[in-house]
Amino acid sequence: QVQLVQSGTEVKKPGASVKVSCKTSGYTFSDYYIHWLRQAPGQGPEWMGWIYPKNGGTSYAQAFQARVTMTRDTSVSTAYVELSSLRFDDTAVYYCARVGLPAAIEYGLDVWGQGTTVTVSS
Amino acid sequence: DFVMTQSPDSLAVSLGERATIDCKSSQSVLYSSNNKNYLAWYQQKPGQPPKLLIHWASTRESGVPDRFSGSGSGTDFTLTISSLQAEDVAVYYCHQYYSTPYTFGQGTKLGIK
Repeated sequence: QVQLVQSGTEVKKPGASVKVSCKTSGYTFSDYYIHWLRQAPGQGPEWMGWIYPKNGGTSYAQAFQARVTMTRDTSVSTAYVELSSLRFDDTAVYYCARVGLPAAIEYGLDVWGQGTTVTVSS
Repeated sequence: DFVMTQSPDSLAVSLGERATIDCKSSQSVLYSSNNKNYLAWYQQKPGQPPKLLIHWASTRESGVPDRFSGSGSGTDFTLTISSLQAEDVAVYYCHQYYSTPYTFGQGTKLGIK
């Protein structure tokens, strides 16, 4: 079955960087866009951007443009998001999610990773 | 940015009764060239990621019970649960994927009366 499995909990200091991985299985990794989102406690999800594994193309939300990098390694069917210059308000659960239609950017997100908790604390 | 506003913020409904959640977008999410509304609904239970229920405003995902339905067009949308079951207790989000940054509503917490 289709699965997205994310890396484990991270605790970082302000100003540091964090890199979260999203290992996929059960489908052709290159064919589906992967979106990254985060969710602060008690809030709705916040979209960060997407990556298209086939060509590495990316689109980032303006709010994260200066600090986020999304990459992929097709040899291990894994997507990554790195967020730099961490602030206290970057504390959240970070999710990867697959778009539910091949080669489509805009569609529902049909499979999600389990989430990675990132805590920024001094 | 598209602002998605859900109402109510919380809702309590008796088992077997109908639950209705509204979502209003600050701009239309209807793409005229294909007549599709770029609007999805998700269900989120504590400690879990969101689960896609409906996309294109009214198309139910495979495996989602038919008591869940979506309606609306343009800027105004509704998620209806026709007969509430205990397992439907969750937070529900609407989500527009018409324009970046893709945005979500603030969520509606659904409980049992």
